[in-house]
Amino acid sequence: ILNVEQSPQSLHVQEGDSTNFTCSFPSSNFYALHWYRWETAKSPEALFVMTLNGDEKKKGRISATLNTKEGYSYLYIKGSQPEDSATYLCAFISKSGYSTLTFGKGTMLLVSP
Amino acid sequence: KAGVTQTPRYLIKTRGQQVTLSCSPISGHRSVSWYQQTPGQGLQFLFEYFSETQRNKGNFPGRFSGRQFSNSRSEMNVSTLELGDSALYLCASSKTTGVETQYFGPGTRLLVL
Repeated sequence: ILNVEQSPQSLHVQEGDSTNFTCSFPSSNFYALHWYRWETAKSPEALFVMTLNGDEKKKGRISATLNTKEGYSYLYIKGSQPEDSATYLCAFISKSGYSTLTFGKGTMLLVSP
Repeated sequence: KAGVTQTPRYLIKTRGQQVTLSCSPISGHRSVSWYQQTPGQGLQFLFEYFSETQRNKGNFPGRFSGRQFSNSRSEMNVSTLELGDSALYLCASSKTTGVETQYFGPGTRLLVL
């Protein structure tokens, strides 16, 4: 059974704060890691697909890094805004897992104005 | 381009009944995956279909089944519903399989009474 862990479980920050979350996954049999943002009452929105050790991806104020050797990825949000409030999910794909996403339970972010 | 659509959006059933949920992928996408989200378990993988073939199946009882049609639309069926089947059911589509971004629909919320 694949185990994908995310921390912290929830986070409450003030507007303008920068924040980061962690996703831990099995380092063996790694194929890809996905990050999603899921706002209440909406569909999960794809942020990044990461495949290579040392990968860094950026989308506006959000960036992510990947370390496949030690089995973790960080998601950073610079200058958080209230519209960043959402649950951030990471999902792991193993080499033998076709397109199967194994999700962590997410980090719920609340940004107060 | 239209996104992933799911019907119905909400459904109330009673124990013992069966239910069929439908997913229409983004035009041109041939891979469809299904996930179940419950408060305690997070998002869990149900099935993955590609070109009408089931490529992978999650750890769910045989009451859960699915299929994909030649136009890539997919259905999932749950027979003999149990209270624990109450959940949000999400489908996701991608062009092919592997590391392609998966785009999620809005989900079908099923309540079993």
